[in-house]
Amino acid sequence: QVNLLQSGAALVKPGASVKLSCKASGYTFTDYYIHWVKQSHGKSLEWIGYINPNSGYTNYNEKFKSKATLTVDKSTNTAYMELSRLTSEDSATYYCTRDSFAYWGQGTLVTVSS
Amino acid sequence: DVVLTQTPVAQPVTLGDQASISCRSSQSLVHSNGNTYLEWYLQKPGQSPQLLIYKVSNRFSGVPDRFIGSGSGSDFTLKISRVEPEDLGVYYCFQATHDPFTFGSGTKLEIK
Repeated sequence: QVNLLQSGAALVKPGASVKLSCKASGYTFTDYYIHWVKQSHGKSLEWIGYINPNSGYTNYNEKFKSKATLTVDKSTNTAYMELSRLTSEDSATYYCTRDSFAYWGQGTLVTVSS
Repeated sequence: DVVLTQTPVAQPVTLGDQASISCRSSQSLVHSNGNTYLEWYLQKPGQSPQLLIYKVSNRFSGVPDRFIGSGSGSDFTLKISRVEPEDLGVYYCFQATHDPFTFGSGTKLEIK
């Protein structure tokens, strides 16, 4: 069965970076794009962008272009999202989801605080 | 960016009754390939969103036929008949026709 296992919660200081992971199993990793979605506490969902695990091609929501960097490691079937120059506005739960959004990871809570 | 406006914000419902949620788009969601990429998700408390409906009216695997998606162009509706306790949570519409993809602001289905 398809499973996306995300890394655990992270507490990071303002100005720092954090790298989240999403390990896929139960399907051929390179056959489906991986998308990332942000959900601020109690708020709606925002699409960050996607990566093609086969080619490494990425497509970002303009809003997140200078914030998020998507990569993959095909040898471990893992997708990554690095968030840089963190501020309190980046505190949120981040989800990875497989194209076409039928399968989701459990989410990673990122808290930005000094 | 495409704005998806969901109404109502909260939908109080009696178990066993029908609920209806509207999703209106700021522009047509018909893709150049003829498909309309409008989807519906349910997020239960403390859980990840789960796909209910894709391409307007197609139920995802395992979704009960009590969930019916309809609409076209820029006006869409999700109807839930005979609401059950496990249907409670926040419903989101989502469009993947135009880049960037966008979600609606959500409708909370709650017990009256």
